[in-house]
Amino acid sequence: AQSVTQLGSHVSVSEGALVLLRCNYSSSVPPYLFWYVQYPNQGLQLLLKYTTGATLVKGINGFEAEFKKSETSFHLTKPSAHMSDAAEYFCAMIMNSGYSTLTFGKGTMLLVSP
Amino acid sequence: DSGVTQTPKHLITATGQRVTLRCSPRSGDLSVYWYQQSLDQGLQFLIQYYNGEERAKGNILERFSAQQFPDLHSELNLSSLELGDSALYFCASSVDPEGGELFFGEGSRLTVL
Repeated sequence: AQSVTQLGSHVSVSEGALVLLRCNYSSSVPPYLFWYVQYPNQGLQLLLKYTTGATLVKGINGFEAEFKKSETSFHLTKPSAHMSDAAEYFCAMIMNSGYSTLTFGKGTMLLVSP
Repeated sequence: DSGVTQTPKHLITATGQRVTLRCSPRSGDLSVYWYQQSLDQGLQFLIQYYNGEERAKGNILERFSAQQFPDLHSELNLSSLELGDSALYFCASSVDPEGGELFFGEGSRLTVL
């Protein structure tokens, strides 16, 4: 069965530092992959997605993620953290063949200190 | 603003009671999803409807039911409520019923006392 694992339930960075949130997937074939962000008291919002083509995808707010098939990973990065990036981030996957529903990881809370 | 509207935003009720959560999808979206978010379980997929028909079922309890109406709004009914049902319930909608690009509402926070 397919699954998504996010390493670290909490990640703390200083403002201006690199942000790296880790996501690994498990599936029999390469899936479509997504990162969603949830700000306090709000619903989830799509940050970026990988379906096919270029393995480095850029999203909103300066975030990007790279699909690495050999490592079954889809880590999220941002060169310089901003206070407004503090939120919970969810990695998710869906199979690209046949029918399936979006499977979410357990989320990583990003804490940004001044 | 995602365009997905959920009501009520907050709901407090007692064990054994029944509640109904309502969702209006984005204009033009035929697919509606319900998710439950809790601290211990994370985001759990409950059920999906597409153009009025049930399309997929996830970890939805038998005490819970849902439907999508002809105007495409959806309701999630939770009955015989237990303390463990306290959670944030999200509705999401999408254009593509098999895609992963979902638009989420702000959620309905249910507290069962």
